[in-house]
Amino acid sequence: SAVISQKPSRDICQRGTSLTIQCQVDSQVTMMFWYRQQPGQSLTLIATANQGSEATYESGFVIDKFPISRPNLTFSTLTVSNMSPEDSSIYLCSVNRDQTYFGPGTRLLVL
Amino acid sequence: SQQGEEDPQALSIQEGENATMNCSYKTSINNLQWYRQNSGRGLVHLILIRSNEREKHSGRLRVTLDTSKKSSSLLITASRAADTASYFCATDEDSWGKLQFGAGTQVVVTP
Repeated sequence: SAVISQKPSRDICQRGTSLTIQCQVDSQVTMMFWYRQQPGQSLTLIATANQGSEATYESGFVIDKFPISRPNLTFSTLTVSNMSPEDSSIYLCSVNRDQTYFGPGTRLLVL
Repeated sequence: SQQGEEDPQALSIQEGENATMNCSYKTSINNLQWYRQNSGRGLVHLILIRSNEREKHSGRLRVTLDTSKKSSSLLITASRAADTASYFCATDEDSWGKLQFGAGTQVVVTP
């Protein structure tokens, strides 16, 4: 199994600002994944974060908007930059062991 | 981008009835997973079925997988009000844990 924590659990931000979301796993993993869930929608993969290399972004997501850090094998951050109301979503990280485990999510509201 | 389609989009049933939802996907997969989400809360992993498996059971849940048709179904038997949630299928092409989610089925179970 895997225990994943995320900080913050929720935040309300002003447009134009940035927010960094942290994801901590209880043991080492090779890959960590970041997802976005817009209101009333399903989950969409943003990027894959590997330790020691740049993240790999999915179509429609770019590093300037969603910079990711992966400083070690148990931790990653996702920054949502220059936010607009359209960025209001739940952001989740996940890791894979015998199955995929998700963090509790960060609920972001941009005003 | 999303890998699959789910149908129906919404399902309303009474307690004790069975609920069936379907998921179709586009590419070859290593495994397919089903998740439940209550009211925008965290994801709960229900079942993982591998590409070489055809059927799997867990309690009141039964999942089938037809790789020739690129489709899966989730059956919830003897539904309860507590089964009210959104259900998502997610495919993993290479077992790394990089998931592509379907659009989801919203299930409402009335007493």
